[in-house]
Amino acid sequence: AQTVTQSQPEMSVQEAETVTLSCTYDTSENNYYLFWYKQPPSRQMILVIRQEAYKQQNATENRFSVNFQKAAKSFSLKISDSQLGDTAMYFCAFMKDSGGGADGLTFGKGTHLIIQP
Amino acid sequence: DADVTQTPRNRITKTGKRIMLECSQTKGHDRMYWYRQDPGLGLRLIYYSFDVKDINKGEISDGYSVSRQAQAKFSLSLESAIPNQTALYFCATSAAGDYAFGEQYFGPGTRLTVT
Repeated sequence: AQTVTQSQPEMSVQEAETVTLSCTYDTSENNYYLFWYKQPPSRQMILVIRQEAYKQQNATENRFSVNFQKAAKSFSLKISDSQLGDTAMYFCAFMKDSGGGADGLTFGKGTHLIIQP
Repeated sequence: DADVTQTPRNRITKTGKRIMLECSQTKGHDRMYWYRQDPGLGLRLIYYSFDVKDINKGEISDGYSVSRQAQAKFSLSLESAIPNQTALYFCATSAAGDYAFGEQYFGPGTRLTVT
């Protein structure tokens, strides 16, 4: 079984600052996917970024980037130039690659990110 | 229109009642999932289905059952609701074999309260 740990229950930064959210995971799998999901107060789950474990290059999506350290089983999310709309719960999630079937996601407990004006 | 819809969006029910949460999708995906979200615990997988004939238990399936009526419809039932099933329930879908393999698309959630 996989576990995902987010050690920061809550973080608060000023608008325009850069913030990094931590995530570590434990698995014996070699092929898997990692995700960051955002959940604003509307409660909708929104995919922020994804990373395939076989790719060494870190994924980036506009202001969002990850630092994927496979050996350390670490997957942190960096948000640059933070905006008020980034205020949300952020969940790190793991999914093993079953070679044809997409198993469910294993989520961390989340980090509540607050962007202060 | 939303690609993944859930009904009802909010529901209050009493202990011991049977309740069904419904999920429909227009994305044409074959894989569907039910998750439960509790404060401070993140989301946990209840059941998932790869196609109409395939149902799999997730991490916390006890007390729940599901039905995959069609490729586009996946229902979650609580046969006899209890207060600790009060939670936010999400349906999600994913496709196989395309560039976005593994990405899941979530519905808006159903807030269920069992009194």
